[in-house]
Amino acid sequence: AQKVTQAQTEISVVEKEDVTLDCVYETRDTTYYLFWYKQPPSGELVFLIRRNSFDEQNEISGRYSWNFQKSTSSFNFTITASQVVDSAVYFCALSEETSGSRLTFGEGTQLTVNP
Amino acid sequence: DAGVIQSPRHEVTEMGQEVTLRCKPISGHNSLFWYRQTMMRGLELLIYFNNNVPIDDSGMPEDRFSAKMPNASFSTLKIQPSEPRDSAVYFCASRHRAYNEQFFGPGTRLTVL
Repeated sequence: AQKVTQAQTEISVVEKEDVTLDCVYETRDTTYYLFWYKQPPSGELVFLIRRNSFDEQNEISGRYSWNFQKSTSSFNFTITASQVVDSAVYFCALSEETSGSRLTFGEGTQLTVNP
Repeated sequence: DAGVIQSPRHEVTEMGQEVTLRCKPISGHNSLFWYRQTMMRGLELLIYFNNNVPIDDSGMPEDRFSAKMPNASFSTLKIQPSEPRDSAVYFCASRHRAYNEQFFGPGTRLTVL
């Protein structure tokens, strides 16, 4: 069965600090997909990134970067030079090839960036 | 390009009433998903459709919940009769067959008194 764990329930940082959100997953499939979504205070779910299990290359997009390591079943998300607008709940999610398209979400990490 | 559209955005009803939530997926997307978000259970999949056909409804809590997708551009999630424990935010999401990411609508916040 697929499972996603985000051990950090809440993180609080001061603006301009770097912050890493952890995500650990469990799956028996060899083909799977990992995602990060952002849920700002307004409530919508915003897609940030998708990673395929066969592509371990890390990715950087502006201040955001993602570190995918199959050896530790982790898909961590780093925000560099955090800003107040980054304050949100961040969800990591997993989709297995054999489970169709269903997404299994982690519990989410509430990130608060203080000015 | 319009995203996923959900209506209503907020719904307050009394226990026992019928509630219908509506969703219009992104044009060209062939998969549609209904999720529910609560503090206790987080985000959980209720049901999803591929090409308008229900594929997995194992997340539907009980017979009071039903979902339909009569065509590629419209889906409904109905609760009859509603109960206070159904209070949650209900999200609809859609996905294009060529990609794996799902795009979410703004959600419907349901309160059952």
